[in-house]
Amino acid sequence: GDSVTQMEGPVTLSEEAFLTINCTYTATGYPSLFWYVQYPGEGLQLLLKATKADDKGSNKGFEATYRKETTSFHLEKGSVQVSDSAVYFCALSGYAGGTSYGKLTFGQGTILTVHP
Amino acid sequence: DAGITQSPRHKVTETGTPVTLRCHQTENHRYMYWYRQDPGHGLRLIHYSYGVKDTDKGEVSDGYSVSRSKTEDFLLTLESATSSQTSVYFCAITGGVRDTEAFFGQGTRLTVV
Repeated sequence: GDSVTQMEGPVTLSEEAFLTINCTYTATGYPSLFWYVQYPGEGLQLLLKATKADDKGSNKGFEATYRKETTSFHLEKGSVQVSDSAVYFCALSGYAGGTSYGKLTFGQGTILTVHP
Repeated sequence: DAGITQSPRHKVTETGTPVTLRCHQTENHRYMYWYRQDPGHGLRLIHYSYGVKDTDKGEVSDGYSVSRSKTEDFLLTLESATSSQTSVYFCAITGGVRDTEAFFGQGTRLTVV
């Protein structure tokens, strides 16, 4: 079945540091890929997405590129802020010739803490 | 913000008792989902619905049942709660499939003692 693997966490950075959170996936067909973010005490919200190979999703300074050849969707940001402290989830919505009904398969999540 | 309300937000219950969690949406979205969030596992799908009275099992459905009698409400029931069902439960909705953003409720923290 489909699966998503994220880098081990937690990740602790100083403000203005470069961020990379690795994400790799296993899926049949042509999945869509997502990054969701969860701030303390809240539900998840979409950060960015990419729906086909070589697409780049971007939002709020975060970027991720859908790499089919390496089955990866790594999240990057050039300069993190304290307000970026949150839990980040990589996810996929599978598609193998039929409908997936929008079901999401998540990675385990990566806790990011940014210090001033 | 998408109109999704989960109730209750917090609950403590005893082992063996039935528990029902409610998800209410005001977006008229067709698809609704229940996930549970546990450390080291991310979110895992319990059950989902693709229309009124149309539901199916997800990855971790054992011990859970669902019902959807109206577009706006999706109920998750633990028939006989166990300590392994202590978790944070999230409801989500989408208007379509595959490429569509999912909107999440704020979660219900359930503790089974």
